[in-house]
Amino acid sequence: TQLLEQSPQFLSIQEGENLTVYCNSSSVFSSLQWYRQEPGEGPVLLVTVVTGGEVKKLKRLTFQFGDARKDSSLHITAAQPGDTGLYLCRGFGNEKLTFGTGTRLTIIP
Amino acid sequence: GAGVSQSPRYKVAKRGQDVALRCDPISGHVSLFWYQQALGQGPEFLTYFQNEAQLDKSGLPSDRFFAERPEGSVSTLKIQRTQQEDSAVYLCASSLGGQGIAYTFGSGTRLTVV
Repeated sequence: TQLLEQSPQFLSIQEGENLTVYCNSSSVFSSLQWYRQEPGEGPVLLVTVVTGGEVKKLKRLTFQFGDARKDSSLHITAAQPGDTGLYLCRGFGNEKLTFGTGTRLTIIP
Repeated sequence: GAGVSQSPRYKVAKRGQDVALRCDPISGHVSLFWYQQALGQGPEFLTYFQNEAQLDKSGLPSDRFFAERPEGSVSTLKIQRTQQEDSAVYLCASSLGGQGIAYTFGSGTRLTVV
């Protein structure tokens, strides 16, 4: 199983601040997905990145796939309370794919 | 249906009891997946069906865990002789294609073994 490490594990910031969370692996992935999971619900897909160096924007969220396709980042601009949740990355490679360990984000109003 | 439906939403079982968790995927979705999610962790893969065929069950933690999808639609995850370490949220997801395609997850069943 390919291991995906996410950092930080926990992040609590004030509304309006910017933040970046990371998803890292020693393995190369053909593509990578980001999900957000709210309490009591299943994860919901946010984006899929495929090409090394690719950047995708979803409103205030910016996703980047590393040039070597081993890592990815999620940047949130002007965080809002609705961004609160567990952010999960999921990688696709030659071995069994897996979810990352997750970053639990709390936005304080 | 419009989404993936799981039942029950919550289940409390006494240690040693057998439980059955149900997943009703999106109509027409070929692939169905079961995941186990411990508190504060990411989902861990349990098993994968394509139609009625169980293509991968390597994530099932022990022979007490059994999953089936006899008609290629609804799936049941059964846990026999439950143990406290089985306490977790069990998530079901379905997709149109294989593992590389975006999943739609259900809301999960939270199992608590006491």
